Amino acid sequence: EVQLFQSGAEVKKPGESLNISCKASGYSFSSFWIGWVRQVPGKGLEWMGLIYPGDSDTRYSPSFQGQVTISADKSINTAYLQWSSVKASDTAMYYCARLFKGCSGPNCFPSYWGQGTLVTVST
Amino acid sequence: DFQMTQSPSSLSASVGDRVIITCRASQSIGDWLAWYQQKPGQAPSLMIYKASSLQNGVPSRFSGSGSGTEFTLIISSLQPDDFATYYCLQYNTPWTFGQGTKVEI
Repeated sequence: EVQLFQSGAEVKKPGESLNISCKASGYSFSSFWIGWVRQVPGKGLEWMGLIYPGDSDTRYSPSFQGQVTISADKSINTAYLQWSSVKASDTAMYYCARLFKGCSGPNCFPSYWGQGTLVTVST
Repeated sequence: DFQMTQSPSSLSASVGDRVIITCRASQSIGDWLAWYQQKPGQAPSLMIYKASSLQNGVPSRFSGSGSGTEFTLIISSLQPDDFATYYCLQYNTPWTFGQGTKVEI
């Protein structure tokens, strides 16, 4: 069974660094793109970027390029979303999601989702 | 980049109603469109992909149609479990989600 388990809720102060994780199980981690999606409380879904763990090929949304770093460690089947300096506007739920099995490449849709990680940035 | 305009932003319906939600793309995306259902406190759940393909396990009252720039999600007979927010997603990178449609009683 495919599962994506995300790290727990985080509370940070502006300017702090942050790293949240998404641990995959039940499939070959290196062979499927994983994406990250943001959802500000009460708002819609926003695509942040994708990574292919097999070769770390990474694609970013123009809106998030330079704001976050997406990485993956295939030795422990885990993808990461990192901030060097969080802002209050980063307060949101963050989801990781694995792309559909029948696709190749990043132009595909997610079919499995993690449970989400709530990030709160406040003084 | 592709922009997605989803309508309506919300709708009120009753059990048994036929519900239609629309997404319009700023330029042709072929059939690279998916629909997701999201309930409060939960992650999105895939309903339709490739514009009209029903994901395994999704009830047949859900259907999708369209290609190019105009797409629809139809719920043929709304059930109590269907009250949720629905999003379209065009998945030519960079992906773009629609703004969402909240289906309320």
